[in-house]
Amino acid sequence: GENVEQHPSTLSVQEGDSAVIKCTYSDSASNYFPWYKQELGKRPQLIIDIRSNVGEKKDQRIAVTLNKTAKHFSLHITETQPEDSAVYFCAASIGAYGQNFVFGPGTRLSVLP
Amino acid sequence: NAGVTQTPKFQVLKTGQSMTLQCAQDMNHNSMYWYRQDPGMGLRLIYYSASEGTTDKGEVPNGYNVSRLNKREFSLRLESAAPSQTSVYFCASGGQGSNQPQHFGDGTRLSIL
Repeated sequence: GENVEQHPSTLSVQEGDSAVIKCTYSDSASNYFPWYKQELGKRPQLIIDIRSNVGEKKDQRIAVTLNKTAKHFSLHITETQPEDSAVYFCAASIGAYGQNFVFGPGTRLSVLP
Repeated sequence: NAGVTQTPKFQVLKTGQSMTLQCAQDMNHNSMYWYRQDPGMGLRLIYYSASEGTTDKGEVPNGYNVSRLNKREFSLRLESAAPSQTSVYFCASGGQGSNQPQHFGDGTRLSIL
């Protein structure tokens, strides 16, 4: 079955610096890759997603890149702010209709003032 | 528009007790999901329902049962709670069509003593 690995498990950056989180997946049939942000004690919330027909997508300070050949995708956060501190999860779709996800174990990002 | 609503928010049980976690969504989504979240392990799928009237096992179904009561509601039951089921449980619903994001409820924090 699908396996999603995520690195690093923890990441500390200075405010204003960039942060990069990388994920790899195993199932070549996966074609949808969402990213979720989870603040302490809160629900996971979708921050950006990418489909396999696109190599890169950007939304203000957040961007995601996808390399289907290598089966990896990455989250890039620029000009980090303290409110970016959270746990970030990547996921890859599985199933006949891509309706199920396998999640990575998460990355705890700390933005230091 | 409440999105995905879970009850209760917190619960403490003794080993062997039973309980049902409730979930309802008002987004007219076909798919609904139950996950558990344990430290360092991301979100693991317990059961899902691709449409009203259907349910299927996910990655970690043992010790749980589900009911898709109607299109809005999807409940998770622990028949005989065990300490290993101490976790945070999230319900989610998925948008129409393939490769759509899932939207999460606020979670139920469950402790089994």
